[in-house]
Amino acid sequence: DGGITQSPKYLFRKEGQNVTLSCEQNLNHDAMYWYRQDPGQGLRLIYYSQIVNDFQKGDIAEGYSVSREKKESFPLTVTSAQKNPTAFYLCASGTAGKPQHFGDGTRLSIL
Amino acid sequence: AQSVTQPDIHITVSEGASLELRCNYSYGATPYLFWYVQSPGQGLQLLLKYFSGDTLVQGIKGFEAEFKRSQSSFNLRKPSVHWSDAAEYFCAVGPSGTYKYIFGTGTRLKVLA
Repeated sequence: DGGITQSPKYLFRKEGQNVTLSCEQNLNHDAMYWYRQDPGQGLRLIYYSQIVNDFQKGDIAEGYSVSREKKESFPLTVTSAQKNPTAFYLCASGTAGKPQHFGDGTRLSIL
Repeated sequence: AQSVTQPDIHITVSEGASLELRCNYSYGATPYLFWYVQSPGQGLQLLLKYFSGDTLVQGIKGFEAEFKRSQSSFNLRKPSVHWSDAAEYFCAVGPSGTYKYIFGTGTRLKVLA
């Protein structure tokens, strides 16, 4: 079945460490997205990419980085510059004007 | 600026009662509108969408929503709620022809047995 796979489901970060969250899709969607979800704040867009080798900052990009080397993959790195990384991270994919499809999320916590 | 407002943070209903979750949007033209549902620790699942045409749209799990242009609203309804409907619900707007979407802050639904 087509879908979006996020891994790992749970991730722990030590102080000063960068961590990378994986997102893979086999829906042949052009666009991919990363959202951060905190209680009571809905979904906030971190980065999105419309095509390979191109991506745009969302509303809260500081402390995060992404790459889009393949259409199927859009990994998110949470850098040590992100001082409050504890959150639920959701990856999505889609095409223009159509509903987004979401993965099951990665919960990141600080050790 | 484009925005989506879900005025109710929490709603509690009894099982079998009717449900209406509110969503208001701000956008210059008719946007694409969506409702998603999220169970704890899970991703978002699409309930229904509105692009054009009939303003009353049917979705999965017995949900429906009505687009009212004059009120800039897209409220979600269900005639009889089941305990399994307890979850968080998100309204979203996506301007046609673009890749960027805006989500509301969500409404958490609690269902009493």
